[in-house]
Amino acid sequence: GESVGLHLPTLSVQEGDNSIINCAYSNSASDYFIWYKQESGKGPQFIIDIRSNMDKRQGQRVTVLLNKTVKHLSLQIAATQPGDSAVYFCAENIDGNAGNMLTFGGGTRLMVKP
Amino acid sequence: NAGVTQTPKFRILKIGQSMTLQCTQDMNHNYMYWYRQDPGMGLKLIYYSVGAGITDKGEVPNGYNVSRSTTEDFPLRLELAAPSQTSVYFCASSWDRGGIQYFGAGTRLSVL
Repeated sequence: GESVGLHLPTLSVQEGDNSIINCAYSNSASDYFIWYKQESGKGPQFIIDIRSNMDKRQGQRVTVLLNKTVKHLSLQIAATQPGDSAVYFCAENIDGNAGNMLTFGGGTRLMVKP
Repeated sequence: NAGVTQTPKFRILKIGQSMTLQCTQDMNHNYMYWYRQDPGMGLKLIYYSVGAGITDKGEVPNGYNVSRSTTEDFPLRLELAAPSQTSVYFCASSWDRGGIQYFGAGTRLSVL
């Protein structure tokens, strides 16, 4: 079936290094993707989104890249900080009949070493 | 602006008990959602609503019920709680069908 998934369950990086979190999707009809950050004991928090008519979008210290050819999404975090430690989810929008049916991947845990 | 507010934050239930998880949003969003998140797993959609008076099932609706009498509130009802319902429950809302979903802080439920 169609699904959104992640390559790596845990990513450990040194403080100050750049982080890259990957996500694969299989639904070629998906046209909207979102990255969420979930800190321990909190709800998911929106980071950045991208539509399928774009291949790159930048925010503050974060960049999302979309490769539609291989159905791959990545989140790049520049100069990773301890506060970036969290679980990161990618989500795919499947435009259902009556609502925004986001499908979430399992998440990647980012651990930042001081 | 409080966003999405969930109560309670924690709850322990005995098997067979019932409870209602409360969710309210002050962003005037039409769309609201309930998810559950099991340890180390992603989010699974339980129910959603596209407006007051309209609800529909998600991926894992069994054992739950919802209602949407107002735009602001979207309570989730658990009848006859079972250990399999031990999870963290998140409520979310969005402005439109293609928009960003905003999440509450979650309700951590244990059924013993």
